[in-house]
Amino acid sequence: QSVLTQPPSASGTPGQRVTISCSGGNSNIGRNQVTWYQQVSGGAPKVVMFGEDQRPSGVPDRFVGSRSGTSASLAISGLHSEDEGDYFCAVWDNSLNEGVFGGGTKLTVL
Amino acid sequence: QILLVQSGAEVKKPGASVKVSCKASGYIFTDYTIHWVRQAPGQGLEWMGMIQGDTGDTQYSQRFQGRVTITRDKIATTAYLEVSSLKSEDTGVYYCARRFGPPHYFAFDVWGLGTTVVVS
Repeated sequence: QSVLTQPPSASGTPGQRVTISCSGGNSNIGRNQVTWYQQVSGGAPKVVMFGEDQRPSGVPDRFVGSRSGTSASLAISGLHSEDEGDYFCAVWDNSLNEGVFGGGTKLTVL
Repeated sequence: QILLVQSGAEVKKPGASVKVSCKASGYIFTDYTIHWVRQAPGQGLEWMGMIQGDTGDTQYSQRFQGRVTITRDKIATTAYLEVSSLKSEDTGVYYCARRFGPPHYFAFDVWGLGTTVVVS
């Protein structure tokens, strides 16, 4: 069971907006900044958001990250088919003194 | 071009050990930490541990403490992950990744392609 809780699935049609949530606690999301990864077709994960709301170059501004208290979220607007994949939140946990990942959310573009 | 190139797939018997390598190139190896992340078939990502490129200091997930050893060779700019007493549940893809950003940023900007380990 993951320290960080994500919904197992999310979906939307092209052009729609979807939000993926990540719930944690005071020792992880409440203290440190969250990173979001996208994994497509079992390949290596790719960072799409870090420092909660910073996008690496090449990631479109349709991707927006935010945090409130002990929860974080990744919003994707104007859904494209290439946004399909698994999304994982990740953060350092100060109590466990280790990195933790959410269980992942499978995003389907209908 | 910044790359992490991992060693090839392995098939091991239960109880055996496996050692996976991760060759870094295109950046100053000692400026970054290398982390190892495991993904079991159809499952999520699990952090296993990390090594400082300069000092060689390590830190391990409690889940893998005692059964996992991470080392590095500064000259060869290569990190290694060794897992001992393998069980069928250790089957999966093992990734190395480079961490970036301030301390406690759990963010990896470069990943290896992964090494598949099958324990059977």
